[in-house]
Amino acid sequence: DTGVSQDPRHKITKRGQNVTFRCDPISEHNRLYWYRQTLGQGPEFLTYFQNEAQLEKSRLLSDRFSAERPKGSFSTLEIQRTEQGDSAMYLCASSPGTSGSNEQFFGPGTRLTVL
Amino acid sequence: AQKVTQAQTEISVVEKEDVTLDCVYETRDTTYYLFWYKQPPSGELVFLIRRNSFDEQNEISGRYSWNFQKSTSSFNFTITASQVVDSAVYFCALSEAGEYGNKLVFGAGTILRVKS
Repeated sequence: DTGVSQDPRHKITKRGQNVTFRCDPISEHNRLYWYRQTLGQGPEFLTYFQNEAQLEKSRLLSDRFSAERPKGSFSTLEIQRTEQGDSAMYLCASSPGTSGSNEQFFGPGTRLTVL
Repeated sequence: AQKVTQAQTEISVVEKEDVTLDCVYETRDTTYYLFWYKQPPSGELVFLIRRNSFDEQNEISGRYSWNFQKSTSSFNFTITASQVVDSAVYFCALSEAGEYGNKLVFGAGTILRVKS
């Protein structure tokens, strides 16, 4: 059973560096979501894709953040000029349909530490 | 605006006790979905249940049960005869049904510690 996978699982970087995370959704899931989770909080929505189209972006997604989903398969989330406040767990999720009723299946997350 | 409140930050129980996790939500939509997820120490969010706003029937799945009450905007989760393996962070979440509204809005989570 292949679930949502994320790479890398951990990333330590210095302030000012760029980082890129990858998410591979469950095969044939056409919706893909990115969330950010800080310590002691619930995940917060960042952005989502319907196939290759990015349909919504949160205000949390500053200009330093960019996400892509070429060909509607895997997705990447890039953070440019990282800041210490970017330290968090970045979660990816996918769901099979267009209905809001479909549960989202989450990956293991990428933990980012910015020094 | 959507909002989910989990007022209990942390709960500690002894094994075999029953425990209820509270969830209160706010939304302007008449059609919405409510979810519970479990986040064990490993970190991966695990889906537990989904309810839609038109289905107020309570649900039971093994030791888990859920009580959905639209009148009080609550969707509470009860674990009967808790076990150590139930120790985790539990999140309640809300999703609206609009075309662009499928994002999940999570509460802050409740840490459940079950001691043997």
